[in-house]
Amino acid sequence: DTEVTQTPKHLVMGMTNKKSLKCEQHMGHRAMYWYKQKAKKPPELMFVYSYEKLSINESVPSRFSPECPNSSLLNLHLHALQPEDSALYLCASSQEKRVGYGYTFGSGTRLTVV
Amino acid sequence: GQQVMQIPQYQHVQEGEDFTTYCNSSTTLSNIQWYKQRPGGHPVFLIQLVKSGEVKKQKRLTFQFGEAKKNSSLHITATQTTDVGTYFCAGLGRDSNYQLIWGAGTKLIIKP
Repeated sequence: DTEVTQTPKHLVMGMTNKKSLKCEQHMGHRAMYWYKQKAKKPPELMFVYSYEKLSINESVPSRFSPECPNSSLLNLHLHALQPEDSALYLCASSQEKRVGYGYTFGSGTRLTVV
Repeated sequence: GQQVMQIPQYQHVQEGEDFTTYCNSSTTLSNIQWYKQRPGGHPVFLIQLVKSGEVKKQKRLTFQFGEAKKNSSLHITATQTTDVGTYFCAGLGRDSNYQLIWGAGTKLIIKP
């Protein structure tokens, strides 16, 4: 299995809603990432988990809350989002440290906040 | 902070013409990766370059990493419609294990 699976593919939520994005990989990768991508921009790193521990939080607002229940799963909990948070949210994974196999991205969740 | 500049932002080519995108880092990189993102899709890893002066080929794609490990290029020979998309370079800083520094991307557009 060489894929990262993200659900849902599309999500529309109101500013008072609570929702969660899910990500799963079975490649044995020990680093997992959440990225946010706006149209015509490169992906922007939000969080990094290494060996199921939060390694990096790129000053992301607290309305985004990551969770790594186990080495295969990564969640992103959303609460009280703003319209400007509408974007493509990408999950990615990679082997630990600098082993050169690149990042495997999921197909993303297109989030619209209304 | 560390930055990776990528040019051009867009390139329009006739099918069959060549395409090149360039990346330049403000600091020496540990390695550089290249990704392709089709319209409406997600980034797909193409290759990683690690060694100074490294050149790698994948069919019509040629990737280079500069001697100083601060710049890189991707050259596509005889473009095809399947090459359409945005090509991103992403560098790993020497002091980082995980934080890729992304270029802005170059969008390849094939003229009809």
